[in-house]
Amino acid sequence: KAGVTQTPRYLIKTRGQQVTLSCSPISGHRSVSWYQQTPGQGLQFLFEYFSETQRNKGNFPGRFSGRQFSNSRSEMNVSTLELGDSALYLCASSLVRGGTGELFFGEGSRLTVL
Amino acid sequence: DAKTTQPNSMESNEEEPVHLPCNHSTISGTDYIHWYRQLPSQGPEYVIHGLTSNVNNRMASLAIAEDRKSSTLILHRATLRDAAVYYCTLRSTLTFGKGTMLLVSP
Repeated sequence: KAGVTQTPRYLIKTRGQQVTLSCSPISGHRSVSWYQQTPGQGLQFLFEYFSETQRNKGNFPGRFSGRQFSNSRSEMNVSTLELGDSALYLCASSLVRGGTGELFFGEGSRLTVL
Repeated sequence: DAKTTQPNSMESNEEEPVHLPCNHSTISGTDYIHWYRQLPSQGPEYVIHGLTSNVNNRMASLAIAEDRKSSTLILHRATLRDAAVYYCTLRSTLTFGKGTMLLVSP
C-alpha cells in the first residue's frame, strides 16, 4: 500500500513569508504527527492530530500551526518565517494514537528560508 | 515532559553485536518505548517497541530494564546497511532528540 506522502518535497521561501506543508497518511491511519529536523536540534515533535483534533503539542511558538481534515490528511503552516525555520519537516502517520501505534514517516519537506 | 537520553555516536564492526542504550528515567507506568532509525536522506523507520518485557523481531531485540528507566536496542549482527541514526522515544510524548549515530566498519 502507498506510504506517507508529503508535498512539496522542496521549497524556498523568504523571511516574513508563510508556508503550508501537506501530509497524506497511509490509508486507514487516523493519527498524524509532525516533526522538525535540524542538524543542531535533532528531531523535534511539533504536534499530533487524531480524528481532526490536536491531541498533543510540542514546544514551538504559535507561528507553527496545523490541522487535520476529515479524510485524515493534514497540513501544517508556518507564518512569518524566520531563518531558523529552515529545516526538514517530517510527517508520520499511525493506525492508532499512542501505545503500540507504530509511526510511519514520510520523506519530508525540506524548507529553506532566505 | 518525559524525555530520552542517548549517546551521540557509537561504532561497531560488521557482523558484531551492537547494544544501543537509551535512558528514560521519567517514563510513566503505561508508556511504550519505541525505537526508530533513520538512514541517510530518508525519513525514520520503525524498528521495535515494548512496554515491560524484552521483545524480538526480525530487525532487532529490545531489552527493557526492570524499573523501565532504561532500555537497550540490540542488533545481533551489524551490517553496513545498519549504519544510521537510531532514536528511542516514548510513544506518549513523541520526543526524539538527536539520537545515536551508529557507524559500522567493514
